[in-house]
Amino acid sequence: DAGVTQSPTHLIKTRGQQVTLRCSPKSGHDTVSWYQQALGQGPQFIFQYYEEEERQRGNFPDRFSGHQFPNYSSELNVNALLLGDSALYLCASSHRDRGLYEQYFGPGTRLTVT
Amino acid sequence: EDKVVQSPLSLVVHEGDTVTLNCSYEVTNFRSLLWYKQEKKAPTFLFMLTSSGIEKKSGRLSSILDKKELFSILNITATQTGDSAVYLCAVSSEFVSGNNRKLIWGLGTSLAVNP
Repeated sequence: DAGVTQSPTHLIKTRGQQVTLRCSPKSGHDTVSWYQQALGQGPQFIFQYYEEEERQRGNFPDRFSGHQFPNYSSELNVNALLLGDSALYLCASSHRDRGLYEQYFGPGTRLTVT
Repeated sequence: EDKVVQSPLSLVVHEGDTVTLNCSYEVTNFRSLLWYKQEKKAPTFLFMLTSSGIEKKSGRLSSILDKKELFSILNITATQTGDSAVYLCAVSSEFVSGNNRKLIWGLGTSLAVNP
C-alpha cells in the first residue's frame, strides 16, 4: 500500500518565481491538506481540499493556491516567491469520514528561495 | 490502535481564570506532540513538543510534555474572551520505514471564556 507521496523532494527557486508542488494521497483517502513547516516549528495549516474544492484555509495570502484532481491528487502553487517562503511543505491525506482526526503525512518538499 | 484523548471536552470559565487542558496519547513511534487553536475553520499552530520536561511558552500560553506518562498539558493564564476556541492536540508518529508520518488528532477541548 503506497503511502502519501510528494514531488519534488527538494527545490531551489529565486525570489519572484512561481512553484508547483505535487502530492498523491494514500490509497483510499480523498482529502488532502497542505502544511508549511519552518525549521524547528510545527506544521502551519495552509488549506484542505476535498471533492476538488478548497474546504478550509489557514492564514496564508492568496499567493498560495491549490488544486485537487479527480484522482484525489493535489497541487500547491505559490506565486511571487519570497525568501520567507523557504520551508518544508507537507502534504497530508485523510478520508473525509476521519476529517482532521487521522492524517498521513508525506515526506515533504524542501523549498529554498534565494 | 493509536489514540489521542483530550480532556475536558468542554470548559466554561470567566475572564482572568487560569485553565489547564489535558492531552494523553498512545501512539507507536512517537515523534512529537502538537497543540493547535481552532476558532472558525483552520487550526492555528501553537506549540510543538518533542522532549519531556521542557516547557514551551508563548505569552499567556505554555505547554509541557511528559513522555514517560504519555501526556501533555496546555496552560492558559489570565484568560481573555479571545481565547475562546477549540484547542486540538495532535501526535505525530513515524513509520518504521521513516518515509511517512501519521498525525493523530484528539477531539479537542472547547473553551468558552465569558466576560
